[in-house]
Amino acid sequence: DSGVTQTPKHLITATGQRVTLRCSPRSGDLSVYWYQQSLDQGLQFLIQYYNGEERAKGNILERFSAQQFPDLHSELNLSSLELGDSALYFCASEGGKGYTFGSGTRLTVV
Amino acid sequence: AQSVTQPDIHITVSEGASLELRCNYSYGATPYLFWYVQSPGQGLQLLLKYFSGDTLVQGIKGFEAEFKRSQSSFNLRKPSVHWSDAAEYFCAVGGGGYNKLIFGAGTRLAVHP
Repeated sequence: DSGVTQTPKHLITATGQRVTLRCSPRSGDLSVYWYQQSLDQGLQFLIQYYNGEERAKGNILERFSAQQFPDLHSELNLSSLELGDSALYFCASEGGKGYTFGSGTRLTVV
Repeated sequence: AQSVTQPDIHITVSEGASLELRCNYSYGATPYLFWYVQSPGQGLQLLLKYFSGDTLVQGIKGFEAEFKRSQSSFNLRKPSVHWSDAAEYFCAVGGGGYNKLIFGAGTRLAVHP
């Protein structure tokens, strides 16, 4: 157990739908990163939050949004889903001991 | 631009043979360097990291990596590969201090018995 918890582990949904992925960072870590891993794009950085504030934005689609709550957990919202959004979504948290990744959420859009 | 290049997409080695996976990076500041391993359908496991100090870094599972600033490289090595090492390996660079990690495209390792 890395200490970073992602739920759900698997998600199957239809095109056009909206889903929410959740990430609980390791205790004491203030920063959360979201990554998307797909076969054709590799590991792509989506967005970073630090202590509730957006800190950096990467290749995140406008259909996607995220937030970090006061208890430091983060949610990634994906809407108007397309087949191409099928991927493994990782979150990582960072504190004084470096980056720690969760086990990911596998999203399948059908 | 910040980037990581892993020149080898696929590598096949025989069990017991030595292994070297290449990684080159481009980063404007002092880099923090990482190697992760991912088994099929699994998450990312940290093998080792370099922040500063000794340029030869020891990691888990018998892996080591050497930071060469002059070559902008951080190659991963293992003297004797086991069948269980078959997986995908990712090199990553970051700046620490709450800066994002940038990943290479990965190298898929196959191990022949």
